[in-house]
Amino acid sequence: SQTIHQWPATLVQPVGSPLSLECTVEGTSNPNLYWYRQAAGRGLQLLFYSVGIGQISSEVPQNLSASRPQDRQFILSSKKLLLSDSGFYLCAWSVLGVPEKLFFGSGTQLSVL
Amino acid sequence: GNSVTQMEGPVTLSEEAFLTINCTYTATGYPSLFWYVQYPGEGLQLLLKATKADDKGSNKGFEATYRKETTSFHLEKGSVQVSDSAVYFCAYNTDKLIFGTGTRLQVFP
Repeated sequence: SQTIHQWPATLVQPVGSPLSLECTVEGTSNPNLYWYRQAAGRGLQLLFYSVGIGQISSEVPQNLSASRPQDRQFILSSKKLLLSDSGFYLCAWSVLGVPEKLFFGSGTQLSVL
Repeated sequence: GNSVTQMEGPVTLSEEAFLTINCTYTATGYPSLFWYVQYPGEGLQLLLKATKADDKGSNKGFEATYRKETTSFHLEKGSVQVSDSAVYFCAYNTDKLIFGTGTRLQVFP
């Protein structure tokens, strides 16, 4: 069966520090991969999605970047965190061609202080 | 632009009460519509969906009907349980999923 791993579960970082959140998927090949952010009162916002290794689409201009070094690995990064980067980050995957059937990780609560 | 709007929470109900969570969308064309649920401490999961006008999605006692004339996809359940306490997200998709802000439901015994 397919599983998705996302870590860490919680993270507290100072302003200006770097960020690396990792997400891996097991049990499937060539998934579509997504990073979402859930900010208070703003719902889920799509940040990045990827349809293959090295292929990243950015949905909103921001202080973050994403990379997909392997088929089932998706990394969210920042060189210098801002206060506004605080939020709940969710990694997700879907089968190619079936974007509505999303499987989400358990999320990372990021607090930038 | 395209968007989905759902009622703000929290919605607080007693067990066995009737639930409605409103959702309306603005989109070009005819998107598919979804309700996702996030139980405490868990990730999001698909609750139900409808892919065309007048379709009714249903699961776990929840229902939602795709109303093209009112551009709505309201979530309903006739009798809620404490275990239904969660955050519910309305969403639509064209080539990607776009979510609403979420509505927290709290059900008390």
